Amino acid sequence: EVQLVESGGGLVQRGGSLRLSCAASGFTFTTYYMSWLRQTPGKGLEWVANIKQDGSEKYYVDSVKGRFNISRDNAKNTVFLHMQSLRAEDTAVYYCARDRSSWRYWGQGTLVTVSS
Amino acid sequence: DIVMTQSPDSLAVSLGERATINCKSSQTVLYSANNNNYLAWYQQKAGQPPKLLIYWAYTRESGVPDRFRGYGSGTDFTLTISSLQAEDVAVYYCQQYFRTPPTFGQGTKVELK
Repeated sequence: EVQLVESGGGLVQRGGSLRLSCAASGFTFTTYYMSWLRQTPGKGLEWVANIKQDGSEKYYVDSVKGRFNISRDNAKNTVFLHMQSLRAEDTAVYYCARDRSSWRYWGQGTLVTVSS
Repeated sequence: DIVMTQSPDSLAVSLGERATINCKSSQTVLYSANNNNYLAWYQQKAGQPPKLLIYWAYTRESGVPDRFRGYGSGTDFTLTISSLQAEDVAVYYCQQYFRTPPTFGQGTKVELK
């Protein structure tokens, strides 16, 4: 059974940093792109970033370029989202999902709240 | 970016009746080389992550009831629920994966009348 379990969310001040983790199991991690998406009541669902199987290619939505970094540890079947210079508009539930650009498997999400 | 626009924003349907959700993309999501529409539909119930229902515009995900059907091509798409069940109450999203960034519609809330 495919499982994706996010962690690392919480309350952070504007301008601060946070690292999200997603532990994957139930599939061969090294054969899939991995993605992060987020959801807010106001902006809805938004793809944030994805990373190729070997970590050699990474893509980001424009609003997080230069502030967020996606990475993965294939030995630990884990994907990360390093977020810095956080803004109020980054407040969202962040989901980890398997695959590049359409997603059959999602985690349950982790809430990130950026306070001003 | 490709903008996805859904209509209506919400609809109320009686049990057993048909629900129809429309989705329009600002650019074509049809790739002429393989004749595939890079369009997916998701269902999201309260407190849960989205669930993939349909991909390639009309291919149902394994385990999805056949009352869910996807139609359309190019820039105009439709999701129909042929006979609404109580468990279908949810928000439905269309999503294009033709161009990066992949983008979602704003969602359509389906409720019981």
